[in-house]
Formats: sequence, C-alpha cells, structure tokens
Amino acid sequence: DQQVKQNSPSLSVQEGRISILNCDYTNSMFDYFLWYKKYPAEGPTFLISISSIKDKNEDGRFTVFLNKSAKHLSLHIVPSQPGDSAVYFCAARETGTASKLTFGTGTRLQVTL
Amino acid sequence: DAGITQSPRHKVTETGTPVTLRCHQTENHRYMYWYRQDPGHGLRLIHYSYGVKDTDKGEVSDGYSVSRSKTEDFLLTLESATSSQTSVYFCAISDLLGLAGETQYFGPGTRLLVL
Repeated sequence: DQQVKQNSPSLSVQEGRISILNCDYTNSMFDYFLWYKKYPAEGPTFLISISSIKDKNEDGRFTVFLNKSAKHLSLHIVPSQPGDSAVYFCAARETGTASKLTFGTGTRLQVTL
Repeated sequence: DAGITQSPRHKVTETGTPVTLRCHQTENHRYMYWYRQDPGHGLRLIHYSYGVKDTDKGEVSDGYSVSRSKTEDFLLTLESATSSQTSVYFCAISDLLGLAGETQYFGPGTRLLVL
C-alpha cells in the first residue's frame, strides 16, 4: 500500500528549462511534505518543505505546490541546471506519528546540456 | 552538513550471520531513524528512536533490532542476515519533532550485501 506515489521514475529536461516533479498521496492525515534530493553513493539531502496549511513555498529556484483537494504536490525547478541531475524523493509526515516520514519511490531527473 | 557518520560504509556477509550497523551523530539531536533503500520502494523506515533507550518499530522492522544506549549512537542489528536484507541502509536524525520546518538529516549510507 503505497501512500506516497511518484509515478514518473525518470524525467529528462534541457538546461535552462523548467523541471516539474510530481507526487501524489492517499493519506489525508499527512500534514507536512518534504522533498529530498539524492546523488549516487550519498545520503538524501533536504531540499524544500511545505505545511498543509499552505499551497506554495518558494526557495530560490525551487518551488513546491500543494493541492490538498487533489492530494497532489509538485516540485518546480526553474531554471534547471546540470547539477540538479539526481533522484528526487517526495516525503510526507502524518499528524502525531512521532515525526515518521513516508517516502515515495523517487524520480530520477536528468538535466541535459 | 549535519554530523552523521555510518559504519561500516560497505559490508559483505553471509546468510545467517549477525550484522550490526552503527550510526553516530555529533548534533545532539533527540530523534534517530534507520531506513533501507531498495529499487522500486524508495526509503522505508525500519526502526526509530525518540530518546536514549526509547525505540519503536517502523514499516519494515521484521528481522531487525535496534539499541540506543547513548544520545549519539543508534545501532541496527540483523540477528541472522538474509539475502532479502541486501540493501542500502541510511540513518537519519531530527530535532524539531512535529514542528513546521522539521527536517530529517541523513547519513551517507551503508551498502550491505548478504550472500
């Protein structure tokens, strides 16, 4: 039972263009969402987060949008850079669960020149 | 970068042998977690700790045990390793439980191969 789904295993985008990574969830008790970026042979690193009381959070080139009614969030990267090539994981925290996170399966982003 | 180290970084072992992975932090964070990463599954929580000697099970805890005798160390033990436990194991720490702005910081990972 996959409560957090990233249906696109991979995405290829040209440098300078927008990258849009999508994430869907099924658990309505999730109240906080995070995106992590992972390079090969390294641990995931935190990228950006959003609380369920907001619908948008922006940090430099990265923006996360949350649509609660659709149980959908997306990560926008503008402009995309070659160094953004990595695997991106969406994660969600359920209210009152001692901060446990549920992760999606990841989307591999490749930014081409 | 958060001060998290994992040891060993790579290990090859045989089915049926015990294996212990160590996570060490220098951040004095209260919460520590063990995840495994497998293709097609993302990261799945094995066990977590919310204080010294306080631990609980995660999503995939069968076949694993943990111990936390000091704030800085969180050990993951495979009592009798099986091939299905071949994976990459990540430790994570957190200090802002339940608050907006909370983040889990991850260690570099341990790649375990069970033959």
